[in-house]
Amino acid sequence: AQSVTQPDIHITVSEGASLELRCNYSYGATPYLFWYVQSPGQGLQLLLKYFSGDTLVQGIKGFEAEFKRSQSSFNLRKPSVHWSDAAEYFCAVGAALDDKIIFGKGTRLHILP
Amino acid sequence: GAVVSQHPSRVICKSGTSVKIECRSLDFQATTMFWYRQFPKKSLMLMATSNEGSKATYEQGVEKDKFLINHASLTLSTLTVTSAHPEDSSFYICSASNPTGGDIQYFGAGTRLSVL
Repeated sequence: AQSVTQPDIHITVSEGASLELRCNYSYGATPYLFWYVQSPGQGLQLLLKYFSGDTLVQGIKGFEAEFKRSQSSFNLRKPSVHWSDAAEYFCAVGAALDDKIIFGKGTRLHILP
Repeated sequence: GAVVSQHPSRVICKSGTSVKIECRSLDFQATTMFWYRQFPKKSLMLMATSNEGSKATYEQGVEKDKFLINHASLTLSTLTVTSAHPEDSSFYICSASNPTGGDIQYFGAGTRLSVL
């Protein structure tokens, strides 16, 4: 069965510190992988996506993610977080860019001043 | 980038009434739209796939008669929550993709439904 696991429900980091959000997936074929961010009361914004090619993907807002097939992981990273990064982050998989998406349960990021 | 608009952003209704939520693709035609539901502090769960000109495809466990989906045009899909109950209170989000270029999905800002 297709699934996405985000093992951390909450993560707290200090402003300026580095960040890594974990994501593991289970999918029969090679999936499209996504990271979305959701600010309070807002819709979803795509941070980055991966399907093929370079396994290190650069996204918006200084985020990057690395695809590791052997670990079925697609972790999101940022070298230095800003207070405005506080939000809910969702890892997701899909069969295609325009196909239905299966979301993880999300990781809420808190930023300490 | 492409824009998907949802209306209303927030709605409060009495138990037993029906509520319609609109999802519009503003600058592209979308043959397929998706409706998701997000419970408090939970992930987004796909409810159904809305196909223009045909019946929606519902995910397992989603009541078709409860959540009516109509995709009458290439730019508009509607979700009607019929005979709403307090347990239907949730955040509903739609998405659409531009089929002409294998484009990503764009998400609406969501609709917060509160049933009293």
